[in-house]
Amino acid sequence: KQEVTQIPAALSVPEGENLVLNCSFTDSAIYNLQWFRQDPGKGLTSLLLIQSSQREQTSGRLNASLDKSSGRSTLYIAASQPGDSATYLCAVMTAGNKLTFGGGTRVLVKP
Amino acid sequence: GAGVSQSPSNKVTEKGKDVELRCDPISGHTALYWYRQSLGQGLEFLIYFQGNSAPDKSGLPSDRFSAERTGGSVSTLTIQRTQQEDSAVYLCASSLARVSGNTIYFGEGSWLTVV
Repeated sequence: KQEVTQIPAALSVPEGENLVLNCSFTDSAIYNLQWFRQDPGKGLTSLLLIQSSQREQTSGRLNASLDKSSGRSTLYIAASQPGDSATYLCAVMTAGNKLTFGGGTRVLVKP
Repeated sequence: GAGVSQSPSNKVTEKGKDVELRCDPISGHTALYWYRQSLGQGLEFLIYFQGNSAPDKSGLPSDRFSAERTGGSVSTLTIQRTQQEDSAVYLCASSLARVSGNTIYFGEGSWLTVV
């Protein structure tokens, strides 16, 4: 059974610092890995999707890496802003189009 | 709008009543998912549709839960004889195809409170 873990569960940084969010998964037989953002009381917004054959994806200040063999992904957010405050979730897609989520990392960027 | 639409956005119901939650996926998306997020908890997979069929119902927590999808579009999640532990946000998502590599788009969720 696939298990996804996100560490830390919560993170607080001053504005301008870089954010590093970690995600690990137990079964490396994945099709892809996605990072999502969830604001309080809202649904999920997809940030980045990394195919199993890829090692990283970049979008603006966001960069996500994937090491499938070791079951790890890292989301980097450069030069954090107060608007980056949210919960960040990673999820892996496995056979049967099943998407398994981690518990999320709650991020607070202080002005 | 062009996104995944869910209704109702909020529902308060009495214990024992039945509720229906509706999801309108993005037009053309053949894959549709239902997830549940309880307060302070992670996302729990409920069911996945490819077209109108549900190859994976493994996440439905009990036989009080059922879901259907008609016309390859709208889906309804029904909870019978609701219990307080059913209180959660029910999130629907859709994507283009069952082939991996497609971004999954989520709706804003239906917030269910059972009193």
